[in-house]
Amino acid sequence: EAGVTQFPSHSVIEKGQTVTLRCDPISGHDNLYWYRRVMGKEIKFLLHFVKESKQDESGMPNNRFLAERTGGTYSTLKVQPAELEDSGVYFCASSPRTGTSVYNEQFFGPGTRLTVL
Amino acid sequence: AQSVTQLDSQVPVFEEAPVELRCNYSSSVSVYLFWYVQYPNQGLQLLLKYLSGSTLVESINGFEAEFNKSQTSFHLRKPSVHISDTAEYFCAVILSGAGSYQLTFGKGTKLSVIP
Repeated sequence: EAGVTQFPSHSVIEKGQTVTLRCDPISGHDNLYWYRRVMGKEIKFLLHFVKESKQDESGMPNNRFLAERTGGTYSTLKVQPAELEDSGVYFCASSPRTGTSVYNEQFFGPGTRLTVL
Repeated sequence: AQSVTQLDSQVPVFEEAPVELRCNYSSSVSVYLFWYVQYPNQGLQLLLKYLSGSTLVESINGFEAEFNKSQTSFHLRKPSVHISDTAEYFCAVILSGAGSYQLTFGKGTKLSVIP
């Protein structure tokens, strides 16, 4: 079974440009999460999709960030326009439908390293 | 709001020596506790978790962690480390029963095993 994949693995852009990160979750996983790690800081939650709906977007830093999950499959995270402080590693994770389990493990992708110059 | 503290950013240890990676959390409600590991150039992998029941949990590769509610700690230990344990380790929590599934992470501890 393929794991969570993310594209690209690295992206270097200039301040003011636009970048789109993509995440393909494990097939059949309804839950999809985005996290970000800024250098030297902890990994922080950005948002949570259940299928195509945003369940929790409390961690999105500002309106320069737009996440979508059309059709409830893959997700994109667009940063427009990018700022220097957006540099970091963006992780995606997915988990199965919650059902009756108290917790379903979140499976993480390798991350996309974004550098804004 | 909950928070996770990993006081040690880097821990060097000789091969076959024991290691303890410390994790403390703060939360006004019950939490689920996790340790994730990130090997070089890979994503985060779940190492072990505490949801309920026995406070001592173990992983398949010899790590263990003990939930201590009075000290709000979930330290990770291994009696004898191997070179392949070199990685970054993250402690994380989720609020239990809150309907929210966002993980709150500590800053991570880089474990370097020295031959």
